[in-house]
Amino acid sequence: KQEVTQIPAALSVPEGENLVLNCSFTDSAIYNLQWFRQDPGKGLTSLLLIQSSQREQTSGRLNASLDKSSGRSTLYIAASQPGDSATYLCAVPNDYKLSFGAGTTVTVRA
Amino acid sequence: GAGVSQSPSNKVTEKGKDVELRCDPISGHTALYWYRQRLGQGLEFLIYFQGNSAPDKSGLPSDRFSAERTGESVSTLTIQRTQQEDSAVYLCASSIVTAPQETQYFGPGTRLLVL
Repeated sequence: KQEVTQIPAALSVPEGENLVLNCSFTDSAIYNLQWFRQDPGKGLTSLLLIQSSQREQTSGRLNASLDKSSGRSTLYIAASQPGDSATYLCAVPNDYKLSFGAGTTVTVRA
Repeated sequence: GAGVSQSPSNKVTEKGKDVELRCDPISGHTALYWYRQRLGQGLEFLIYFQGNSAPDKSGLPSDRFSAERTGESVSTLTIQRTQQEDSAVYLCASSIVTAPQETQYFGPGTRLLVL
């Protein structure tokens, strides 16, 4: 059974600092890995999807890396802003179901 | 275009009552998923529908939980005789087809509180 773990559970940083969020998974035979953002009272928004053949994926200030062999992915958010405050979830497909980590709740202080 | 919508957004009920949660997927999406998110935990898969195929109910936690889907449109998740441990956010997602590489698009969720 695929287990997904996210560390840390919570993170608080001053505005402008870079964020580093970690995700690990136990079964390295994955098709892809996806990072989501969850805001209070709202659903999940897909941020980045990295295919298993890729090492990293970038979108604006966001960069996600994937190391299948070690079962790890890292989401980097450059020059954080208060609007980046949210919970970030990583997920890997288990057939067609997604297995999620518990998330990292980020607070960016102005 | 319109995203996945869910109703109600919030539901407070008394222990022992039945509740129905509704999901409207993105038009044209053949796959529909229900997940549950308990406080401080990751999302748990509940049930999956793909077209007219038999649904995958392997994630339903008990026989008090059931779900239906009308064709490739609306789905309803029903929880009978609710218990306090059913309190959670119930999220619905849809995707174009069933494939691990396809992105699932999530609705805003229904927050269920069982008193």
